[in-house]
Amino acid sequence: NAGVTQTPKFRVLKTGQSMTLLCAQDMNHEYMYWYRQDPGMGLRLIHYSVGEGTTAKGEVPDGYNVSRLKKQNFLLGLESAAPSQTSVYFCASSATGLINEQFFGPGTRLTVL
Amino acid sequence: AQSVAQPEDQVNVAEGNPLTVKCTYSVSGNPYLFWYVQYPNRGLQFLLKYITGDNLVKGSYGFEAEFNKSQTSFHLKKPSALVSDSALYFCAVRDWRNAGNMLTFGGGTRLMVKP
Repeated sequence: NAGVTQTPKFRVLKTGQSMTLLCAQDMNHEYMYWYRQDPGMGLRLIHYSVGEGTTAKGEVPDGYNVSRLKKQNFLLGLESAAPSQTSVYFCASSATGLINEQFFGPGTRLTVL
Repeated sequence: AQSVAQPEDQVNVAEGNPLTVKCTYSVSGNPYLFWYVQYPNRGLQFLLKYITGDNLVKGSYGFEAEFNKSQTSFHLKKPSALVSDSALYFCAVRDWRNAGNMLTFGGGTRLMVKP
């Protein structure tokens, strides 16, 4: 049982380049999330999904797009990367039911030059 | 809107001493509260949660947390700290009306346990 996995682990982009971060979970969770972590700011929610084919904006969605074509996968896209998007990105998943905790992936460290 | 405050950026404690990491929250409805730990270059790991019932919640690695509704606090505690407890700790809150099980996180507190 791998839990939540993220690809890639590290990436360096130049300003204006695009990329996609992949998140996969094998726990059959309905809910999935993308966060960014910046020093002193905790985790901030970018986008989330409550089921296959559905997505919604979180706290800081600008500059990002997401897709959830399959229940087990949640993709985060940067169409035109900016230095302000330099961060560590975490994916998480959760079962339905308010009492359930979120399970996190190991993170992707992204640097935009 | 819900929010979480962790007033201390860093907490220093000697090994064997008790530790407390503070968390206060603001939420409109009944709160669901969580603590997570992050070790260097790793994702967040769930420690414990408060949903309802007993105000003292026990979790992983000997940690516990005390829910105080009147003070809107959910402080993380451990009777005897270990050097291996050194990590970044996050408190998070969920409003019971929250569709999608979203969490709002505090800014994190770095715990340093010295031998």
